[in-house]
Amino acid sequence: DAKTTQPPSMDCAEGRAANLPCNHSTISGNEYVYWYRQIHSQGPQYIIHGLKNNETNEMASLIITEDRKSSTLILPHATLRDTAVYYCIVRPNQGAQKLVFGQGTRLTINP
Amino acid sequence: NAGVTQTPKFRVLKTGQSMTLLCAQDMNHEYMYWYRQDPGMGLRLIHYSVGEGTTAKGEVPDGYNVSRLKKQNFLLGLESAAPSQTSVYFCASRPTVTGELFFGEGSRLTVL
Repeated sequence: DAKTTQPPSMDCAEGRAANLPCNHSTISGNEYVYWYRQIHSQGPQYIIHGLKNNETNEMASLIITEDRKSSTLILPHATLRDTAVYYCIVRPNQGAQKLVFGQGTRLTINP
Repeated sequence: NAGVTQTPKFRVLKTGQSMTLLCAQDMNHEYMYWYRQDPGMGLRLIHYSVGEGTTAKGEVPDGYNVSRLKKQNFLLGLESAAPSQTSVYFCASRPTVTGELFFGEGSRLTVL
């Protein structure tokens, strides 16, 4: 699996858009970008994933650069409940066995 | 639909004792995983399984054993617990086709 690099921490004001970057410069053509988050000490929660097109769901948007070497997770209107550690993972969508989490980004939403 | 259930939620062991953590999923998922998370750290993969009767090593397998005798259950065993195994353990599962991981709520283990 390609390795990812994320900033260790970020802050965002409540109500603003939170933009979380992820670098994955060694990503292969068949590898997807996945985002999970972990609120406090709960089990991680799936957010979104994509291959090369931008994706949006009820939780967030995922913007992947044209060369696919980096991506950005966007929480459009951050709330205090979005304070969490956000993990970016890249791997093939099918047939992948190991799923390896990095250190993630600790996002703090400030009132 | 319970999803992924881990038992026990909390356990305190003495060095050298053994124990087993149970992960049960009711979603008929093929793949199951055990992770550990130390304070302030990300998740590290211990062992995983790609189907009933199969197991494989992850990043940090030493000191742990696993078994997948039934599709719905994935057991993580510590034969001789050490203080370095004090951690929060998370189990996860996913179906074969899609990639979304479903996590349990975690099991907090302290080894004295």
